[in-house]
Parts: sequence; C-alpha cells; structure tokens
Amino acid sequence: SQTIHQWPATLVQPVGSPLSLECTVEGTSNPNLYWYRQAAGRGLQLLFYSVGIGQISSEVPQNLSASRPQDRQFILSSKKLLLSDSGFYLCAWSVLDFGYNEQFFGPGTRLTVL
Amino acid sequence: EDKVVQSPLSLVVHEGDTVTLNCSYEVTNFRSLLWYKQEKKAPTFLFMLTSSGIEKKSGRLSSILDKKELFSILNITATQTGDSAIYLCAVTTSGTYKYIFGTGTRLKVLA
Repeated sequence: SQTIHQWPATLVQPVGSPLSLECTVEGTSNPNLYWYRQAAGRGLQLLFYSVGIGQISSEVPQNLSASRPQDRQFILSSKKLLLSDSGFYLCAWSVLDFGYNEQFFGPGTRLTVL
Repeated sequence: EDKVVQSPLSLVVHEGDTVTLNCSYEVTNFRSLLWYKQEKKAPTFLFMLTSSGIEKKSGRLSSILDKKELFSILNITATQTGDSAIYLCAVTTSGTYKYIFGTGTRLKVLA
C-alpha cells in the first residue's frame, strides 16, 4: 500500500532563517506531487506541483521554492523565512492522470515563524 | 480564473441534527469534484463525483453533483460529535493536474 511521509511534524523558526521540509512517498511510481499551505482552519492554497523529476510548477509567487530530486521525494525550501510563511504545510500525491483520482495527503508540518 | 466557494464557513449543530454543506464552482472544463474531511492533520478522502457519477452515499454521508447549476452538496444525517471537522471541497479540470480547493466549512457538533 502507498504511504506518504512528511517531516518534521512541527517547526519553530526565527524570521530570516532558512527552511527545508521534506516529503516522500512509498508504494507508488511516477506520482504527481503537491505542496499546499493552510491558514488556521481554512482551505488549502496550492503552492507547487510536480509531474516528474525536476519538473516544478509554481502557483504563487513568494519566497518559497520546491525541488524534486527523486521520483518520490518532494522538498519545500526557503532561503529567508517571513512571518507570513507561518502555517500548516501539507504534501500530497496523486496518480499521474488528469483529475480522475483522489489526492492522498501526508500528516503535515506546522510551521511557526517568530 | 477558476474558483471554488464553500458555504457556510462555519456551522454549529447538536448531535442528531442533519447538516448540508455547499460547494459551488466556476471553472473551465470541469472534470471532477472531491470532498474531504479534515480533523486534526491530513484531509481524508470522502467522495469523488464526476459526469458519470453524480450521486454518492456512504453510511450517514451522501453527496450530489449538479453540473448544470455548478454546485455540489454534502449531507450528513444524524450527526455525531465525531463528525466535527473541516470539510473541504476540491475541483479538477481537464488538461491540468491541479486540484482547486474551496475555503472549507468548519463543522462543530455538540453533544
């Protein structure tokens, strides 16, 4: 069966510090991978998605970046965090198809920037 | 611009009540609509509705899709405290891999 891992679970970082969040998927090949951010109690904002190694689509211009160095690994990074980067970050995967499959979500990382 | 809107934003009911959550969308080349339940962390999948499957039911939960009026509803009958969660609606479109999420509805069921 498929499993998606995210770490760390929680993170407290000072403004201006770098960020690296990692997501890995097990039990599937060639998944679509996604990064979302969720403000407290609200919907999901799509940040990045990837349909293959090295292929990244950015949805929201900001100081975050994403990379996909391996088929089942997706990394979210920042060189200098802002207060507005605080939130709940979710990684998700879906089968490589055009919208006829559900997404599966990781456990999330709660980021607080102070 | 593709848009998904959920209503109400939040809702408080008592155990045993029936609730109806709404999701309307304005997108180009609609493909599917998905409902998720989010309690603490990861959203969990409930239903997917498409042109070939406009009505789904699982236990006390049911959902319908109205492609003409561009909306979906999620019904929960005989609510329980365990139904307390954020309910998310997402829409996919042809030709992209994106899932467009709505704002979510926060449901609280009181004992």
